[in-house]
Amino acid sequence: DAGVTQSPTHLIKTRGQQVTLRCSPKSGHDTVSWYQQALGQGPQFIFQYYEEEERQRGNFPDRFSGHQFPNYSSELNVNALLLGDSALYLCASSLYSGNTIYFGEGSWLTVV
Amino acid sequence: AQSVTQLGSHVSVSEGALVLLRCNYSSSVPPYLFWYVQYPNQGLQLLLKYTSAATLVKGINGFEAEFKKSETSFHLTKPSAHMSDAAEYFCAADTGGTSYGKLTFGQGTILTVHP
Repeated sequence: DAGVTQSPTHLIKTRGQQVTLRCSPKSGHDTVSWYQQALGQGPQFIFQYYEEEERQRGNFPDRFSGHQFPNYSSELNVNALLLGDSALYLCASSLYSGNTIYFGEGSWLTVV
Repeated sequence: AQSVTQLGSHVSVSEGALVLLRCNYSSSVPPYLFWYVQYPNQGLQLLLKYTSAATLVKGINGFEAEFKKSETSFHLTKPSAHMSDAAEYFCAADTGGTSYGKLTFGQGTILTVHP
């Protein structure tokens, strides 16, 4: 049973560029959430997708957007990258009706 | 707004000693509570969760946590530390309701285990 998978694992982008991160949820899960974890900090909730719609959103600007596909996989897009966007981006999957949340290994984004 | 506070950003114990990592949450309504562990350069692994079924929750790797509503606490313990327990630990709260999955995390506690 595959867990939560994310790609790419590492990437480097230049300020002002755009990035897309991808996530496949754990088998049987229908809900995907994204978190940003800056160095030395706890993860912070970005948003959650269920039934291809954004259901909850944290305190992040509109530069952060997402998408969920019919197969429940998800993408996180960040536009106009800032140096402060450098972080580990974690994808979490769950059942919309459930309270057990599993995390992937994350995608390390470095903005230079 | 829900907040989670972990007391002590660093905890150091000897191998075989008791591990105690502290977590307090702020809410008038007890939320669902979780402990996750993060090894270097890895994602988060669920250790245990509290969902109001029992106040003493047992998790993986010998860890357990006790929910105390009167103290708004959910401290993580392990009777005997092992070298492999060295990692960063995060306490998180989910307010639940009609939609789960919006976790609020504490700042994390780095556990060091000495031989």
